[in-house]
Amino acid sequence: AQSVTQLDSHVSVSEGTPVLLRCNYSSSYSPSLFWYVQHPNKGLQLLLKYTSAATLVKGINGFEAEFKKSETSFHLTKPSAHMSDAAEYFCVVTLGSNDYKLSFGAGTTVTVRA
Amino acid sequence: DAMVIQNPRYQVTQFGKPVTLSCSQTLNHNVMYWYQQKSSQAPKLLFHYYDKDFNNEADTPDNFQSRRPNTSFCFLDIRSPGLGDAAMYLCATSRAAYNEQFFGPGTRLTVL
Repeated sequence: AQSVTQLDSHVSVSEGTPVLLRCNYSSSYSPSLFWYVQHPNKGLQLLLKYTSAATLVKGINGFEAEFKKSETSFHLTKPSAHMSDAAEYFCVVTLGSNDYKLSFGAGTTVTVRA
Repeated sequence: DAMVIQNPRYQVTQFGKPVTLSCSQTLNHNVMYWYQQKSSQAPKLLFHYYDKDFNNEADTPDNFQSRRPNTSFCFLDIRSPGLGDAAMYLCATSRAAYNEQFFGPGTRLTVL
């Protein structure tokens, strides 16, 4: 079975500094991996996805993530945080194209200090 | 723009009074999902439809039902809401064979 561990429940950064959100996964198969963002009282928005193509994945709003199979990691980064990045971030894994179920990490809350 | 729409965005109901939440999509996706998300938690899948085929999660209470009258619409019925059912309810869609899910804005349910 697959599972996802987000290593930080809360990350606080200053505006303009880098953001790093850590995610480790376990899967018996070649996984598809996603990062979703959720702003307060809103639905989830897809930031980026990895589906066995390039290991460095670029997403929206300046975010990117690197798939490292040897470390079973899929960490999310952004070089310069903006106030609008304050939100909840979920790392998500699914087995592959035939698995409709998403396995969510517990989430990381990002706060951005002015 | 193609999207997933949920109505209402906020719903208040009384303990034990049936409530229906609505989801519609213009993406023409054949898979639709309902999730329950409680405060500070990840979304939890309740059930999903693959076309007309209903797939219930093993731990979804019988109190929760769903209907999908056509490709575009899906409803979540809570027959007798309890205080523990207060949560955000998220609808999502995907195309078969593609596991990327598109989420609606959610309906926040309050049970008095």
